[in-house]
Amino acid sequence: GDSVTQMEGPVTLSEEAFLTINCTYTATGYPSLFWYVQYPGEGLQLLLKATKADDKGSNKGFEATYRKETTSFHLEKGSVQVSDSAVYFCALSGTDTGRRALTFGSGTRLQVQP
Amino acid sequence: EAQVTQNPRYLITVTGKKLTVTCSQNMNHEYMSWYRQDPGLGLRQIYYSMNVEVTDKGDVPEGYKVSRKEKRNFPLILESPSPNQTSLYFCASSVSTGANYEQYFGPGTRLTVT
Repeated sequence: GDSVTQMEGPVTLSEEAFLTINCTYTATGYPSLFWYVQYPGEGLQLLLKATKADDKGSNKGFEATYRKETTSFHLEKGSVQVSDSAVYFCALSGTDTGRRALTFGSGTRLQVQP
Repeated sequence: EAQVTQNPRYLITVTGKKLTVTCSQNMNHEYMSWYRQDPGLGLRQIYYSMNVEVTDKGDVPEGYKVSRKEKRNFPLILESPSPNQTSLYFCASSVSTGANYEQYFGPGTRLTVT
């Protein structure tokens, strides 16, 4: 079945550091890929998405490129801020068009220190 | 404001006492879904609904029931809660067409069963 693997956290960075959170996936067909962010005490918010190979999703300074050859969708940001501290989830859409389930990774907690 | 709401946000209950967690969306979405979030496991789908009166099982449906009598509401019912259902629950909704499967999440309900 489909699966998503994310790097273990927590990731602790200083403000203005470069961020990479690795995400690889296993899926049949051609899923869409997503990054969701969960701030403390809140629900999940869609951060960015990519729907086909070589697409780059971007939002709020974050970027991720859909790499079919390496089955990866790594999240990057050039300069993190304290306000970016949150849990980040990589997810893919199922190919079951009825169920529409998202398959999530286990999440990576990011802590940014001033 | 487009949103998914859940109630209650926090609930502590005892084994065997029936409870209902409500979910409502104001975006006229056909598709709604329930997930549970557990440490190290990411989010897993419990049940989903493609439209009014159409529901089906997700990955972890045991111990849960749902109903979809109105388009905007999708309550989650635990008829006899057990401690292994202690978790953080999220409701989500999306349109039913298109392949992106972008889902909008509620703020979460933290349930503790003693």
